[in-house]
Amino acid sequence: AQSVTQLGSHVSVSEGALVLLRCNYSSSVPPYLFWYVQYPNQGLQLLLKYTSAATLVKGINGFEAEFKKSETSFHLTKPSAHMSDAAEYFCAVKGGGGADGLTFGKGTHLIIQP
Amino acid sequence: NAGVTQTPKFQVLKTGQSMTLQCAQDMNHEYMSWYRQDPGMGLRLIHYSVGAGITDQGEVPNGYNVSRSTTEDFPLRLLSAAPSQTSVYFCASRGGYNEQFFGPGTRLTVL
Repeated sequence: AQSVTQLGSHVSVSEGALVLLRCNYSSSVPPYLFWYVQYPNQGLQLLLKYTSAATLVKGINGFEAEFKKSETSFHLTKPSAHMSDAAEYFCAVKGGGGADGLTFGKGTHLIIQP
Repeated sequence: NAGVTQTPKFQVLKTGQSMTLQCAQDMNHEYMSWYRQDPGMGLRLIHYSVGAGITDQGEVPNGYNVSRSTTEDFPLRLLSAAPSQTSVYFCASRGGYNEQFFGPGTRLTVL
């Protein structure tokens, strides 16, 4: 079984500041890890994914995440926040193969202050 | 290539009514799934299917029924709607590296 913990249901940063959204996971097998973004009244869009290749993963819109096995973390970062980054962000894990679906964190609402 | 489509976008039901949420994908993915999204809960897996004729339960299956007669379609049925089923429902299909593609969602209110 796997689980995901996202620290902070709301994160507020100033425009131009560093964005850091935290995600810790537990998995009994090597995981696949994902970050999704959800804009208001829309579906989920994949930002980036970790699939056991490079530990530093680059995604769309300038986001990246680093897989740290020793810390069981997959934190999402962006060097400089834009107003358009305001959205809900979800970390998700899938434990290896098998037919089960993704396990999602509860989400972090990112607020960008002008 | 439309990806994953869902209908309707919005629905209001009365307690006890039944309805079917439609989901279709044109990516020839074998794996499809349904999630519900509730405030502060993230997304939770309701049912999934690994191919035509094969379905299984996820984390929160009670009150929902699914079938998979074709690769493209994966409808979700509510047999007797309850207020606790008020939620936003997302259908997804899975491609390589377990990447899931989500539909735009159906916002359901049960009165």
